[in-house]
Amino acid sequence: NAGVMQNPRHLVRRRGQEARLRCSPMKGHSHVYWYRQLPEEGLKFMVYLQKENIIDESGMPKERFSAEFPKEGPSILRIQQVVRGDSAAYFCASSRDSSGANVLTFGAGSRLTVL
Amino acid sequence: QKEVEQDPGPLSVPEGAIVSLNCTYSNSAFQYFMWYRQYSRKGPELLMYTYSSGNKEDGRFTAQVDKSSKYISLFIRDSQPSDSATYLCAPGGFQKLVFGTGTRLLVSP
Repeated sequence: NAGVMQNPRHLVRRRGQEARLRCSPMKGHSHVYWYRQLPEEGLKFMVYLQKENIIDESGMPKERFSAEFPKEGPSILRIQQVVRGDSAAYFCASSRDSSGANVLTFGAGSRLTVL
Repeated sequence: QKEVEQDPGPLSVPEGAIVSLNCTYSNSAFQYFMWYRQYSRKGPELLMYTYSSGNKEDGRFTAQVDKSSKYISLFIRDSQPSDSATYLCAPGGFQKLVFGTGTRLLVSP
């Protein structure tokens, strides 16, 4: 049973380019979360999605960032016109449902470096 | 005030020591209290969780929650070098979890 799969593991972009990060949740999980981790900082919530719906995007920057979780295929976190401050590790997590203890299973992360 | 406060460490202990890791939180609505462990350059993995106040034990690990003081603890007995990692507390409700900054633990042989 494969865990949460994220790709690419490492991504290098120049300022102004676009970054696309993909996440396939665990089998049987329909809830996806994206978190960002800056060096020496904790995990910061960005967005929570279910299939075809954004449930909570209170942690997403208002500009340049978007996320989707289509009916078919992985969840995508898209960062347009990247800047150096976007350099971070982006973690995706999934859960079976959000009732009771919402146990999140994390992927290995995608590390974005903006030159 | 941050929602979750956690001493970043590093906390250095010799092998076999008892380790105490702590967090405080501000949101009284939190009902579930998770502890995640994160090794360097890896994703966080769930260690254990508790519901509401009380203790929970799992092998060498004990999680403790005091909702009246909004204080969360994780105790590690007989610590091993393989326990060297960053430990993140994550209180939450029914949806997103809020993570502390993590405490880096170093267990020396």
